[in-house]
Amino acid sequence: DTAVSQTPKYLVTQMGNDKSIKCEQNLGHDTMYWYKQDSKKFLKIMFSYNNKELIINETVPNRFSPKSPDKAHLNLHINSLELGDSAVYFCASSRPASYNEQFFGPGTRLTVL
Amino acid sequence: AQSVSQHNHHVILSEAASLELGCNYSYGGTVNLFWYVQYPGQHLQLLLKYFSGDPLVKGIKGFEAEFIKSKFSFNLRKPSVQWSDTAEYFCAVNFLTGANNLFFGTGTRLTVIP
Repeated sequence: DTAVSQTPKYLVTQMGNDKSIKCEQNLGHDTMYWYKQDSKKFLKIMFSYNNKELIINETVPNRFSPKSPDKAHLNLHINSLELGDSAVYFCASSRPASYNEQFFGPGTRLTVL
Repeated sequence: AQSVSQHNHHVILSEAASLELGCNYSYGGTVNLFWYVQYPGQHLQLLLKYFSGDPLVKGIKGFEAEFIKSKFSFNLRKPSVQWSDTAEYFCAVNFLTGANNLFFGTGTRLTVIP
């Protein structure tokens, strides 16, 4: 059973398009996250979402918006895609306490042409 | 500002060699510390973590790490690496500032030569 899943695994699209990446976790966790991994493998937090409280990394452009239809899902919507958005996006989930492990999804490789 | 640094960008070792990967953070408060591994083409997996107690923590696959508070360090070690340890290793810190976010180092690529 996959704990944290993401779809699609690969996404190739043109500049200016709007796209979504879906994330689902079946671990019963309360908190979900989105991370961006750039071409140099650097991982950076984009959002965390816990019980309808959204915490946004201030460096994330407002073209990116997370949507959580329920506790098990945190989807990422990206408007007006730019070349610099090309990266691998990882979803993760955890229990609320800070010492808890975050479980990561397999990643979505986004390529903007 | 809080930050996490990994000074070794790429480490190349022969099988059976010992490994130590450095991780330092800048923050004077209490932290939770993690090491994650990313095998080629796979997602991140937890190797080990520290949040309190014995500063020497043991993880999976023979890895261990030592938290030295005075040095703001959490170095990862393994006495004898195997070819299957070839991967990207990430140190991550939760600075306990409210949001439960992890701040990652830039990663260290480990290549083990058979």
